[in-house]
Amino acid sequence: DIQLTQSPSFLSASVGDRVTITCRASQGISSYLAWYQQKPGKAPKLLIYAASTLQSGVPSRFSGSGSGTEFTLTISSLQPEDFATYYCQQLNSYLITFGPGTKVDIK
Amino acid sequence: QVQLQQWGAGLLKPSETLSLTCAVYGGSFSGYYWSWIRQPPGKGLEWIGEINHSGSTNYNPSLKSRVTISVDTSKNQFSLKLSSVTAADTAVYYCARGHLVPIRNTYYYYMDVWGKGTTVTVSS
Repeated sequence: DIQLTQSPSFLSASVGDRVTITCRASQGISSYLAWYQQKPGKAPKLLIYAASTLQSGVPSRFSGSGSGTEFTLTISSLQPEDFATYYCQQLNSYLITFGPGTKVDIK
Repeated sequence: QVQLQQWGAGLLKPSETLSLTCAVYGGSFSGYYWSWIRQPPGKGLEWIGEINHSGSTNYNPSLKSRVTISVDTSKNQFSLKLSSVTAADTAVYYCARGHLVPIRNTYYYYMDVWGKGTTVTVSS
């Protein structure tokens, strides 16, 4: 099974900061990676798929990059509504796995 | 706009069977994969399994022996059954729509529509 790890697990940032979250796969997964945002008490929301394709309606301050085993989610200028937990997700051999999450908190 | 509405029993005793249903409103049922995902309190997301409109299923190997996902295309609904529950199965359970899209001759998967979640507690 392919395992996903995320770093950092927690980060504290201020409004306006540039934030980068990394997701690493235990083996190469090409660009088969999606990113989700989850706020407390809410279902996850799709942000990015195919590693770098922005989901319709998601603000352009969110971007994704990477392929193979290392991927990044970048928020170019953190907004108050972006404080949340972010998960990466992959599909390989009919098994879907999520990363452990990165919580972005207010500094 | 597609919406997923889910329901089911929220309090179970150990060894009972968890049963949840998710209804799809406002969109096509065919052509997608319909998943169940769970999230224990304070923890991350765990994919349970999925089904398509024709009834083809894929399950997380860690839960496969206890999970059954079924579909009722006449009602645009799909259901989850998880047998022999324990306290470790206490979680918020989500249903979601999985989409396999072609981009440059390759297919990419994502889950773009989610239900609001159902809290399931297992306690004696």
